[in-house]
Amino acid sequence: DTGVSQNPRHKITKRGQNVTFRCDPISEHNRLYWYRQTLGQGPEFLTYFQNEAQLEKSRLLSDRFSAERPKGSFSTLEIQRTEQGDSAMYLCASSLRTGPRGTEAFFGQGTRLTVV
Amino acid sequence: DQQVKQNSPSLSVQEGRISILNCDYTNSMFDYFLWYKKYPAEGPTFLISISSIKDKNEDGRFTVFLNKSAKHLSLHIVPSQPGDSAVYFCAAPSGYALNFGKGTSLLVTP
Repeated sequence: DTGVSQNPRHKITKRGQNVTFRCDPISEHNRLYWYRQTLGQGPEFLTYFQNEAQLEKSRLLSDRFSAERPKGSFSTLEIQRTEQGDSAMYLCASSLRTGPRGTEAFFGQGTRLTVV
Repeated sequence: DQQVKQNSPSLSVQEGRISILNCDYTNSMFDYFLWYKKYPAEGPTFLISISSIKDKNEDGRFTVFLNKSAKHLSLHIVPSQPGDSAVYFCAAPSGYALNFGKGTSLLVTP
């Protein structure tokens, strides 16, 4: 499968613990995005990488969230001191399109986080 | 504040009929729109897009119409098939982000 891969698919954690998710984009894609989706809502943008540079962050990305994309390949999203409100589906997407549109991104299956 | 709005949470259509999914937007600076389709336990998949220089874009059974003056777009699926049952999201780019609506759940019944 050469699509966007996310691990783990599911994560249950206790409030206050740290969690880390991994995203492997489509190999030739230089653009990578993280989104969060809660029940009844559409995906909400969190952050964007072009190669290894993090070029845009949403105000949703609080200080407890950090994302990295070392060497411009896979990316990790870490949430520190998790709260129940962090429970959501975390989606990663990648694209190759040039220009600032970020259109036609290919999404992974997501990591479902449940904070208990 | 939601800049892309899908006011119908769900829609049920008989197989073979037309499905019409609606989307409104508030930001007049949006100049490109996309529709994504999402099955349960999968990520959204790109379906069709339209630039604001057009008022219609067609791809097989899927057609998107854009009415800029009304800040409204719609996705038409003709004929609808049971495999089209999914959640459909309307989205518009702003910077590097995609602004998504809340989605409309389409159910196509045999």
